[in-house]
Amino acid sequence: QQQVKQSPQSLIVQKGGISIINCAYENTAFDYFPWYQQFPGKGPALLIAIRPDVSEKKEGRFTISFNKSAKQFSLHIMDSQPGDSATYFCARGNTDKLIFGTGTRLQVFP
Amino acid sequence: SQTIHQWPATLVQPVGSPLSLECTVEGTSNPNLYWYRQAAGRGLQLLFYSVGIGQISSEVPQNLSASRPQDRQFILSSKKLLLSDSGFYLCAWSVGTGSLETQYFGPGTRLLVL
Repeated sequence: QQQVKQSPQSLIVQKGGISIINCAYENTAFDYFPWYQQFPGKGPALLIAIRPDVSEKKEGRFTISFNKSAKQFSLHIMDSQPGDSATYFCARGNTDKLIFGTGTRLQVFP
Repeated sequence: SQTIHQWPATLVQPVGSPLSLECTVEGTSNPNLYWYRQAAGRGLQLLFYSVGIGQISSEVPQNLSASRPQDRQFILSSKKLLLSDSGFYLCAWSVGTGSLETQYFGPGTRLLVL
């Protein structure tokens, strides 16, 4: 199964700081790059997504940056809050399925 | 509005016993359906997906199987569970193909095989 490499595995950030999660992929035959957020004991939920014809997308405190030439994309969470503490998954997809990264557990401390 | 149901919420089964997890979706027609497994501290592993009744694609060879007897029903089964089958099983659905497809996940079933 083709991989999406996600880092770091875990991240601890102080309230108000910037959280940065990175993902890298190999195959370019994908046209959709979403990020999912998962709280403990719950299913993941779509947070924000980007297509490769756009280099950046911002929704509130969440920003996706996409570098097509480097085959990398990242999630930035500005002004991180304790309520952002969750596991974050990047993914890539096209047609019928998504391939997910291994996840990053984010903890934001007051 | 669309909703997705999974049951049971938790399950403890002995090694070698059979398994049947059910997922149903309401409020949409002809959805794409997915089964994922999430092992403790690990990512989401796609197990099966289906684009229509009776159409199942397997992503990872294993002792699990999936069936889609109705448009909005997806079942994950095993004849004999292994210890390594323990994990958090998530069902998801989506509609449409191509760009900007969003998957909606159910609440999950936590399976512990002893």
